[in-house]
Amino acid sequence: QMQLQESGPGLVKPSETLSLTCTVSGGSISSSSYYWGWIRQPPGKGLEWIGSIHYSGSTYYNPSLKSRVTISGDRSKKQFSLNLNSVTAADTAVYYCARSGGDYGDYAFDSWGQGTLVTVSS
Amino acid sequence: QSVLTQPPSVSAAPGQKVTISCSGSSSNIGNNYVSWYQQLPGTAPKLLIYDNNKRPSGIPDRFSGSKSGTSATLGITGLQTGDEADYYCATWDSSLTTEVFGGGTKLTVL
Repeated sequence: QMQLQESGPGLVKPSETLSLTCTVSGGSISSSSYYWGWIRQPPGKGLEWIGSIHYSGSTYYNPSLKSRVTISGDRSKKQFSLNLNSVTAADTAVYYCARSGGDYGDYAFDSWGQGTLVTVSS
Repeated sequence: QSVLTQPPSVSAAPGQKVTISCSGSSSNIGNNYVSWYQQLPGTAPKLLIYDNNKRPSGIPDRFSGSKSGTSATLGITGLQTGDEADYYCATWDSSLTTEVFGGGTKLTVL
C-alpha cells in the first residue's frame, strides 16, 4: 500500500527557506500516471494546494506562491521535495505531501502523508 | 476567501441524511471534475469522491457525489458519529490555473 511521509524542520525563521521532503514507499514514484504534490493547511483553516511535480519533472505551481516555491524530485531515492523561500508567519501550517493521478484523475489526491507542522517564528 | 463556497457547518441526527453543497463558477466546477475529501480531527484528508460521483475502493456507498452546472453536492446517508469531520470539495480552476479547495464544512452528528 502506498505510503507517504513528510520530513523536515518544524521551526523556520522568518525570511528563511522552508524545506521539506516526502518519502514514498509501497509503490513506484516513476509511473507516468501520477503527480506528486504539496498541500498545506494553516492552523484552524482550510486546504491550499502549493504545487505538484510529474515524474517527467514537469512542475505546476499555485500562482499565488509560484515566485517562492520550488518542487523537485529524486526518483532514485523515491522522494520529492518542497522549498518555499522568504517565509513569514503566514506560512505557518501543516504541510502534506500527496499523490494525484492514475485511476482517480490528475487533480484528485488519493494518497496523503500524515502531515508535518511547520512554524515560522524567530 | 475560497473560490469554492461551502456552508461552514451542517448537522443531522444519527441515521439521517445530510448534503453539503459546493458552489463555484464556469472556470472551475462548471468545466472540471470535482472531488471531495473527509478530514477527521487531527488527521490528513481522505479522498471520498472523485470525478464528480465516483468512489474509491473502500469508500462505502453511503457517500455520494453529484454535480450540476457550477455546483456540486456531497451526500451522506445513514449518518454515524464517526462521520463527524470536516469535508472539503476541490477541483481545478482553469482561469487561475490552480487546484482550488472549498473552505470546508464541519459536519456534526447530533
